Amino acid sequence: NAGVTQTPKFRILKIGQSMTLQCTQDMNHNYMYWYRQDPGMGLKLIYYSVGAGITDKGEVPNGYNVSRSTTEDFPLRLELAAPSQTSVYFCASSRQGNNQPQHFGDGTRLSIL
Amino acid sequence: GESVGLHLPTLSVQEGDNSIINCAYSNSASDYFIWYKQESGKGPQFIIDIRSNMDKRQGQRVTVLLNKTVKHLSLQIAATQPGDSAVYFCAENINSGNTPLVFGKGTRLSVIA
Repeated sequence: NAGVTQTPKFRILKIGQSMTLQCTQDMNHNYMYWYRQDPGMGLKLIYYSVGAGITDKGEVPNGYNVSRSTTEDFPLRLELAAPSQTSVYFCASSRQGNNQPQHFGDGTRLSIL
Repeated sequence: GESVGLHLPTLSVQEGDNSIINCAYSNSASDYFIWYKQESGKGPQFIIDIRSNMDKRQGQRVTVLLNKTVKHLSLQIAATQPGDSAVYFCAENINSGNTPLVFGKGTRLSVIA
């Protein structure tokens, strides 16, 4: 199993541009998550999904959108990139139900200039 | 505010010594806790978890202790090695439906050779 795979690994955007961060997992996990991590800080939840067709806002959803059309994929979209969105973005997945550890990808490092 | 926090943001330990990383949580309804390790440039990696019906759990060179009376969680690493240098996060979950994990800010562990 590859686990959780994120692409791209690095990206530089100009203010106002849009892009989609890709995340796919091959563990057949129902739950998927998007976090952002600013330098020296912890993880902040952006959006999460408990199954295909279902998404919910996390702590910091503004400026982002998600979709979950399949179990495997959970893309994160930035419509109008802003400097405040410069961060490292992590995708994670877990089995259905509570008390399950999340498995993380290696992140996408995004800079908005 | 956050319900999960850490006592020390940084910890320096001599190689071969034992390390203890602490975490305080404020939600008495939390019943599942995880420790993650994050190396530079990588995503968080699951280390060990513990449910609230336990007060101690051991893994390979790691032990997690849970004190529900004072809402305190600790991670002990035996015979700390240079490869243990990383940021360590604790996370908690409330078993009340589809509630995502809540992460603390993290502690940086530096191993002195």
